[in-house]
Amino acid sequence: GAVVSQHPSWVICKSGTSVKIECRSLDFQATTMFWYRQFPKQSLMLMATSNEGSKATYEQGVEKDKFLINHASLTLSTLTVTSAHPEDSSFYICSARDPRDRLYGYTFGSGTRLTVV
Amino acid sequence: AQSVTQLGSHVSVSEGALVLLRCNYSSSVPPYLFWYVQYPNQGLQLLLKYTSAATLVKGINGFEAEFKKSETSFHLTKPSAHMSDAAEYFCAVSDRGGATNKLIFGTGTLLAVQP
Repeated sequence: GAVVSQHPSWVICKSGTSVKIECRSLDFQATTMFWYRQFPKQSLMLMATSNEGSKATYEQGVEKDKFLINHASLTLSTLTVTSAHPEDSSFYICSARDPRDRLYGYTFGSGTRLTVV
Repeated sequence: AQSVTQLGSHVSVSEGALVLLRCNYSSSVPPYLFWYVQYPNQGLQLLLKYTSAATLVKGINGFEAEFKKSETSFHLTKPSAHMSDAAEYFCAVSDRGGATNKLIFGTGTLLAVQP
């Protein structure tokens, strides 16, 4: 089946620095990937839709300059948390849909635990 | 706008007992519905999905769900709980369309299985 690889699985960074999270579709081409944020014991909140070769579409309330998304190829999307602060600490998960799956299977990465100290 | 509501943020069952996790949806168009499971510090794994074929959908690990349009529900069930079923479960909805369609998640239900 479709596999989405997400790295790193966890990262600790100092306040004010930037962190990049990668999301790769390993065995399919994903023109669209999705980035979610999950606070402890809460649901997944969609942050943005990443479109290959064009600008990402951000959900209302998500700061575009804070969460930079780049989808430069059909198998890679990156999320960069710029000037991170402790309130950005969260679990970030990416997802992609395999276009070969006509029954709408979304595949998720294993997530990245970001801790800003 | 689409949404899902999961009734009960915590559900506790005994090992071997019936598992019932509730999900109600709201959608102005015929929806696609999903159930996902999440183990601690991991991504989401698809349990099953409804995409307008049979209303009773069978998934992995013995789970199944029934789409009931009249009740706008898509409850998840398993006849006999196993300790390994303890996890967070999310119901999600998507409208029908192309690859850019978004998944909207419910707030999740944490399932505890008691020995």
